Amino acid sequence: ETGVTQSPTHLIKTRGQQVTLRCSSQSGHNTVSWYQQALGQGPQFIFQYYREEENGRGNFPPRFSGLQFPNYSSELNVNALELDDSALYLCASSSAGGVNYGYTFGSGTRLTVV
Amino acid sequence: GIQVEQSPPDLILQEGANSTLRCNFSDSVNNLQWFHQNPWGQLINLFYIPSGTKQNGRLSATTVATERYSLLYISSSQTTDSGVYFCAGFNNDYKLSFGAGTTVTVRA
Repeated sequence: ETGVTQSPTHLIKTRGQQVTLRCSSQSGHNTVSWYQQALGQGPQFIFQYYREEENGRGNFPPRFSGLQFPNYSSELNVNALELDDSALYLCASSSAGGVNYGYTFGSGTRLTVV
Repeated sequence: GIQVEQSPPDLILQEGANSTLRCNFSDSVNNLQWFHQNPWGQLINLFYIPSGTKQNGRLSATTVATERYSLLYISSSQTTDSGVYFCAGFNNDYKLSFGAGTTVTVRA
């Protein structure tokens, strides 16, 4: 059974650019959620996808968007990057929305905006 | 989402010591997890424990759902236990809310 995999592991972008982060969910999981973790803080919920539809969103602006594909993998897109977007981005997958078994996290993508 | 408070924020232990980490929630939860974040950033799932008590080796956890708190116990701590421990939960909105974490340092 494969776990949650994220790519790339590290990324450096310039302010104003756009970035796409990718996540492959754990086998058997149909729900994917994304989190942003700034240095020294706990992860903050960005949004969640269930069966290719967004079904929950945190306090993030519209320039944060996402997709989920039929194989339940997912992308996080961030437009017009700002310096404060520098963070560790974590993807988590689960079955049945995290109830009964909880969420499994990937190793994250560390994004630096310069 | 719910508010999550973790204590203490930092914990320094001598190898072999026992410790207790606490997590308080502002509302009832139907999903509660404890994680250990390794130096590379990955959140390792320790327990899924919305209620009751579970044990896994030297680690155990107890959640008292009616009083909205959970405890993580580390016994006979080892240097490999060092890192940041997070608790997180949600109720009906599926938005997993995290505490600020407890940074544990175990000294040899």
